[in-house]
Amino acid sequence: DTGVSQDPRHKITKRGQNVTFRCDPISEHNRLYWYRQTLGQGPEFLTYFQNEAQLEKSRLLSDRFSAERPKGSFSTLEIQRTEQGDSAMYLCASPRELEGNEQFFGPGTRLTVL
Amino acid sequence: AQSVTQLDSHVSVSEGTPVLLRCNYSSSYSPSLFWYVQHPNKGLQLLLKYTSAATLVKGINGFEAEFKKSETSFHLTKPSAHMSDAAEYFCVVSDFEGGSYIPTFGRGTSLIVHP
Repeated sequence: DTGVSQDPRHKITKRGQNVTFRCDPISEHNRLYWYRQTLGQGPEFLTYFQNEAQLEKSRLLSDRFSAERPKGSFSTLEIQRTEQGDSAMYLCASPRELEGNEQFFGPGTRLTVL
Repeated sequence: AQSVTQLDSHVSVSEGTPVLLRCNYSSSYSPSLFWYVQHPNKGLQLLLKYTSAATLVKGINGFEAEFKKSETSFHLTKPSAHMSDAAEYFCVVSDFEGGSYIPTFGRGTSLIVHP
C-alpha cells in the first residue's frame, strides 16, 4: 500500500455517459499526477497539479477530459461523453518533492466503455 | 525533449539465471531515471532510482541498474531470477524540462520466468 487511494477501482459505462474518478494522494505531497495506461503500454502522462493549480496538461487530454483538485487535497478526473477509446486504466500518483520525482502510484481505476 | 526506449518487449529466462532488461534514454538535462515493476492486477511499485548520485543503483528484491551517461543507458539486472520476478517492468526518465517534472515511461518489458 503506497498511501495513494483511488475510487472506484472499476467502472463500466456505456458510450456517451459521463464518468468521474477520485484520487486521494499522500497527504503531505503537494503534487498530484494523472496517467492513462492502455493494454501493453506504459502509463502516459495526462495532467498534474501543484496544490490546487493545474500546471501541465498533455495533448492527450481532449476537451472531454477535465481534472480538478479543490483545496489541494483529493483530485477528480471527469470524462464527458465517453468513447470506447477511453477504455483504459487511469492511474493517480503523488511524488516526493525531492529525490527526483519518485512517484507513488494508486491502484488505478479501470474504465470499460461499452 | 526526453524519451525512453525499452529495447525488448519480452524477456524470457529460466529460474536461477541472470536477468537483463535494457533501457536507453534521451534527455536534454540531467535526468532522474527509475525502474518500476507491475505485477498482474497490482499497482506500480518502484524498484530503484538514479538521481545523480552513485551510478550503480541497488533496488529491492536483488535488482540493480547502472547509469551509463556515455551510452545513455540504464539497464536493469538481477543475478538470479525467481519465479516471483515474472511481471511487467517499466523504465522511466524524468527531467526538469520547462520547469516541470513530467515522467516519460517506456512501453514496458514483460519478464517471463520458466521453472
